[in-house]
Amino acid sequence: EAQVTQNPRYLITVTGKKLTVTCSQNMNHEYMSWYRQDPGLGLRQIYYSMNVEVTDKGDVPEGYKVSRKEKRNFPLILESPSPNQTSLYFCASSLSGGRGSYEQYFGPGTRLTVT
Amino acid sequence: AQSVTQLGSHVSVSEGALVLLRCNYSSSVPPYLFWYVQYPNQGLQLLLKYTSAATLVKGINGFEAEFKKSETSFHLTKPSAHMSDAAEYFCAVSAPSSKLSFGAGTTVTVRA
Repeated sequence: EAQVTQNPRYLITVTGKKLTVTCSQNMNHEYMSWYRQDPGLGLRQIYYSMNVEVTDKGDVPEGYKVSRKEKRNFPLILESPSPNQTSLYFCASSLSGGRGSYEQYFGPGTRLTVT
Repeated sequence: AQSVTQLGSHVSVSEGALVLLRCNYSSSVPPYLFWYVQYPNQGLQLLLKYTSAATLVKGINGFEAEFKKSETSFHLTKPSAHMSDAAEYFCAVSAPSSKLSFGAGTTVTVRA
């Protein structure tokens, strides 16, 4: 089954404790992206990757890191989480470079709470 | 740059009634327009998209949307709401050289 998977689905952590949210897709998509969803703000892009070893900042990159060492994986790293990073996070992938008419496929989401 | 505005953060409809979700876009070039749906505790999935072919686009689960260039709108409709339509709906816009931008979302509640 074609899908985007994320782990963990739920995470509660404390301020400053490094964490990684994993994302994997099995559709051989070149483009992958991370979004955060906050009430009233829709989805905002954090980082994206056009291909292996190619990553770039989205609209809200502060406090996050990413890497793309393999085509299928795109982990999101919070080196020192803060309470304002409490949010619902989605990973997505697409055939194209995240532009044009191509659909993006979304993972199930990771609900992060930072206390 | 492209942007979308969804009018109404919450919509409540009775089962069997018309569902109408409003989306207006801003784009300096011909846009591609999308509606995504997010069911509780799930990721987003594509309902339908407009790619400059037919202006009336039919999607999954009985939804459709009409592209109106003169009104810069892409409103989503369903003639008869079902309880299973309760979800959050996002309008999004992109262009050949621009990334996908999402609206703030509209939460639909269906009353029995």
